[in-house]
Amino acid sequence: AQRVTQPEKLLSVFKGAPVELKCNYSYSGSPELFWYVQYSRQRLQLLLRHISRESIKGFTADLNKGETSFHLKKPFAQEEDSAMYYCALPNSNSGYALNFGKGTSLLVTP
Amino acid sequence: DTGVSQDPRHKITKRGQNVTFRCDPISEHNRLYWYRQTLGQGPEFLTYFQNEAQLEKSRLLSDRFSAERPKGSFSTLEIQRTEQGDSAMYLCASSLGIGANVLTFGAGSRLTVL
Repeated sequence: AQRVTQPEKLLSVFKGAPVELKCNYSYSGSPELFWYVQYSRQRLQLLLRHISRESIKGFTADLNKGETSFHLKKPFAQEEDSAMYYCALPNSNSGYALNFGKGTSLLVTP
Repeated sequence: DTGVSQDPRHKITKRGQNVTFRCDPISEHNRLYWYRQTLGQGPEFLTYFQNEAQLEKSRLLSDRFSAERPKGSFSTLEIQRTEQGDSAMYLCASSLGIGANVLTFGAGSRLTVL
């Protein structure tokens, strides 16, 4: 089954410190992976997708097929980065719906 | 267009009652998805429509759940004979037919079954 695993429920870092949110996946074929974010009292929204290879709000994520990982990284965390982060990949049937991980809560403290 | 709208935002009901949620997607989006999210979990896929056709249903969608999208625009999710285990946030999302799985989510409808 196509699934993602986010091993950390909570990650706490100091402002200015590097941050890495882990995501491992199981997928047959070439996956397309996503990071979605939910800030407090806001809707779940797309942060970035690996196919676009862009940096959003200073975050990047590299697909490592050898390690089946898609970790989200930022060199210098900011307080406004505090949020729930979800890794996701297409499900195996339609390929359109996404399967989400359980999420990692990132807390950036001053 | 204010994005994906869901109604009601909160619903409290007694066990055994029926509830219905409505989702209005972004007007040009032809795909519509329903997810369920409980505390400490990520969104769990329930079902997906392309226009008015319901193309996929997950195993989570028991016989008590039914979803429709009659004219390919808004969608409803009905839960019959609610159980306490149905208490959750029900999320709707929509996406364009072209391109990858970029879902735009609504704010959700929170269901509490007493």
